[in-house]
Amino acid sequence: GPKVLQIPSHQIIDMGQMVTLNCDPVSNHLYFYWYKQILGQQMEFLVNFYNGKVMEKSKLFKDQFSVERPDGSYFTLKIQPTALEDSAVYFCASSPDWGEYEQYFGPGTRLTVL
Amino acid sequence: QQQVRQSPQSLTVWEGETAILNCSYENSAFDYFPWYQQFPGEGPALLIAIRSVSDKKEDGRFTIFFNKREKKLSLHITDSQPGDSATYFCAASGGTNTGKLTFGDGTVLTVKP
Repeated sequence: GPKVLQIPSHQIIDMGQMVTLNCDPVSNHLYFYWYKQILGQQMEFLVNFYNGKVMEKSKLFKDQFSVERPDGSYFTLKIQPTALEDSAVYFCASSPDWGEYEQYFGPGTRLTVL
Repeated sequence: QQQVRQSPQSLTVWEGETAILNCSYENSAFDYFPWYQQFPGEGPALLIAIRSVSDKKEDGRFTIFFNKREKKLSLHITDSQPGDSATYFCAASGGTNTGKLTFGDGTVLTVKP
C-alpha cells in the first residue's frame, strides 16, 4: 500500500538545539499531520497542514514548533529551541482529504533531547 | 480529560479464540471511529473503521460493534492468530473539518499459539 517515509528514524540532540523532522507523504495526498507519542502514553495530535497553511493545532504545538512543505518537497516539523519534554516519537501522516479518509502513518522519528 | 479510553490495557488469548477490545468516548461530536494496528517499530496502520450511523462493521475476522447511546464500541477479532499480536488503537474524529484524530491509550494484544 501507500507509504509514508520519515527521516531520520532516530535523532539525539542537546537541549536548546534546533531539530528538523522530515516526512515524505504519499504523493497525491493533500492533508498532512504530525502526532506525538511519549513512551507508554497515547498518541496525541499536534498539527495538520493543507494548501500551505496550518488548519488546526493542539496545545502541544508550542511556539517553538513550526511546519512547512516548501515546493512539494518534504513536510517538515521544526523545533527551535528543543526542550527535554520534546523527547518522544513523532509520527507523520497524510491523507487525500479530511474526515473519513484513511490517514497513512509513517514509521515515526524517535527524538531524544538530552 | 481523556476523550477516548480503551480497555483492557493488555489482553492475552489463545490462537483460535475471539479477542474483544473495548473503547469508549466522551465527545458527542465524534462520528468516525477507525481502529489502527501497530507493530513494534512501525507506524499505525488502519485496520477497520465505522461511522456513527452504523452499529456494526465487519471485515473478515474483524468486527466493530458500536453503541452510540452509550458512547461505546468494541473490536472483535475472531479466530485470533499469533500474527495478530500487536497494539490496537481506537481513534475518533468529528466536529472539525480537519480530520484530527483523537487516540486512546491502546490495547496490547498477545495471541499465544
